[in-house]
Amino acid sequence: AQKVTQAQTEISVVEKEDVTLDCVYETRDTTYYLFWYKQPPSGELVFLIRRNSFDEQNEISGRYSWNFQKSTSSFNFTITASQVVDSAVYFCALSEAQTGANNLFFGTGTRLTVIP
Amino acid sequence: DAGVIQSPRHEVTEMGQEVTLRCKPISGHDYLFWYRQTMMRGLELLIYFNNNVPIDDSGMPEDRFSAKMPNASFSTLKIQPSEPRDSAVYFCASSLEGNIQYFGAGTRLSVL
Repeated sequence: AQKVTQAQTEISVVEKEDVTLDCVYETRDTTYYLFWYKQPPSGELVFLIRRNSFDEQNEISGRYSWNFQKSTSSFNFTITASQVVDSAVYFCALSEAQTGANNLFFGTGTRLTVIP
Repeated sequence: DAGVIQSPRHEVTEMGQEVTLRCKPISGHDYLFWYRQTMMRGLELLIYFNNNVPIDDSGMPEDRFSAKMPNASFSTLKIQPSEPRDSAVYFCASSLEGNIQYFGAGTRLSVL
């Protein structure tokens, strides 16, 4: 059975600090996709990144970076030099080829508060 | 390009009333999804369509919920009759060929 665990319910950091959001997943499928979405206070869900199970290269996009490690079933998200605008709830999600790549299983989210 | 458009943004209704939520997917996308977000259950997939055809409705909670997609640019999620436990944020998302799902701003439903 698939499962996504975001153990950190809430994190608070002071502006300019780095912060890492953890995501651990479980799947029996060999082909799967991992995602991160951001939900700012306005409520919409904003796509950040998708990774497939065959691509373990780390990704960097500006202040955002992602570390995918199949050995530990983790797909962690780091924000460098955090800013107040980064305050949001961040969701990690998984989809599996076997159960239908369209079926997104979301974690419970991590609420990040960046204090000015 | 416009993203996924949902209406209304907020809906307040009384128990027993019919509620209709609307969604316009991104033009050209062939998949459309309806999700519900609650504090207790998080984000759950209710139903999704491919080329206007419902593919998986196993997440629809009960017969009071129904969804339609009469054409490629419009979908509705209807609750009849509504109950207080239906209060949640309902999201619509669309994707092209089952890839990245792009979400609308959501409809916050309150059933009194």
